[in-house]
Amino acid sequence: EAQVTQNPRYLITVTGKKLTVTCSQNMNHEYMSWYRQDPGLGLRQIYYSMNVEVTDKGDVPEGYKVSRKEKRNFPLILESPSPNQTSLYFCASRGGSYNEQFFGPGTRLTVL
Amino acid sequence: RKEVEQDPGPFNVPEGATVAFNCTYSNSASQSFFWYRQDCRKEPKLLMSVYSSGNEDGRFTAQLNRASQYISLLIRDSKLSDSATYLCVVTWTGNQFYFGTGTSLTVIP
Repeated sequence: EAQVTQNPRYLITVTGKKLTVTCSQNMNHEYMSWYRQDPGLGLRQIYYSMNVEVTDKGDVPEGYKVSRKEKRNFPLILESPSPNQTSLYFCASRGGSYNEQFFGPGTRLTVL
Repeated sequence: RKEVEQDPGPFNVPEGATVAFNCTYSNSASQSFFWYRQDCRKEPKLLMSVYSSGNEDGRFTAQLNRASQYISLLIRDSKLSDSATYLCVVTWTGNQFYFGTGTSLTVIP
């Protein structure tokens, strides 16, 4: 089944404790992206990647890092999480007939 | 000013009604437009792309007005299953995507 997977789905952590949210897609898509969704602000793009070893900042990259060492994986790294990074995070990959974005199920992160 | 703006609603309509949503965008160089559907904080899913000439998919019709910089979504014969949040998405680079905050629709029996 074609899909984007994210782990963990839920995470509660404390300020300053480094964490990684993994994202993997099995559709051989070159483009992948991370978003955060907050009430009243909608989805905002954090980082995107056009291909392996190619990453670019989106609208809200501060406090986040990404890497793209393999085509299928695009992890999101929070080196020192802060409470304002409490959010719902979505990973997406893009491809297919309509060049649409396929989203993962989301990761709900709470930083205390 | 936000790149993409939508009326958040909520829109509460009876089954069988026709409902329309609008979305305005700020960048006149925008090149691609989409409507996504999101159920109850689940992942967004593509509803339809929006083409310059307008396009229809069953009960759904999307229109683009470049002069006024807005896109619209029309849902005819609303079903209970249409209840969701509808997200307008715009890109001008093809790589950076801007989402509206979404319009909430509830179809009432």
